[in-house]
Amino acid sequence: AQSVTQLGSHVSVSEGALVLLRCNYSSSVPPYLFWYVQYPNQGLQLLLKYTSAATLVKGINGFEAEFKKSETSFHLTKPSAHMSDAAEYFCAVTRNQGGKLIFGQGTELSVKP
Amino acid sequence: SAVISQKPSRDICQRGTSLTIQCQVDSQVTMMFWYRQQPGQSLTLIATANQGSEATYESGFVIDKFPISRPNLTFSTLTVSNMSPEDSSIYLCSVLKKARENTEAFFGQGTRLTVV
Repeated sequence: AQSVTQLGSHVSVSEGALVLLRCNYSSSVPPYLFWYVQYPNQGLQLLLKYTSAATLVKGINGFEAEFKKSETSFHLTKPSAHMSDAAEYFCAVTRNQGGKLIFGQGTELSVKP
Repeated sequence: SAVISQKPSRDICQRGTSLTIQCQVDSQVTMMFWYRQQPGQSLTLIATANQGSEATYESGFVIDKFPISRPNLTFSTLTVSNMSPEDSSIYLCSVLKKARENTEAFFGQGTRLTVV
């Protein structure tokens, strides 16, 4: 079975500070991993994905994530937070690219001025 | 990419009634899914909508409560039957679409359901 765990349901950072959202996965097969963002009253938007190519994945809006097999982690980072980054972030895993997504619990990011 | 239109975007319904949510995609897709997002929680997969056959339901979800139709490769409906306040959630349609060499999941805006 596959699962993801997001550490921290709420993360608060100051504008300009580093953003670090944690995601650990469990998978019996090589996983495909994703980060999605959900702005208030909107659907999900793909930030980035890992599909067994480069372990450091760059996404939209300055976000990136590093796949670390030894740590079974896929943490999301951004060097400098913007107010517009305030949203809910979901980590997700799937067995293959055509499979169903299993989502983590979500992390709400708040950005303080 | 894929543009997904969900209707209605929101609704307030009386308990005991049923609501059918529509999902229309702007292109043919093989895989369509329905998710539920309960207040303050993550997304949980309800079922995979299969074209021309019965949907495949996840553990904890049954066809009698969440009947799904998939008449063609661009359209699906999810019905929430005999609603109770516990069904108040956001329901999202999702599709898988091939983008370049990869496959990507796209989501509709969701249907925000409140049961009173």
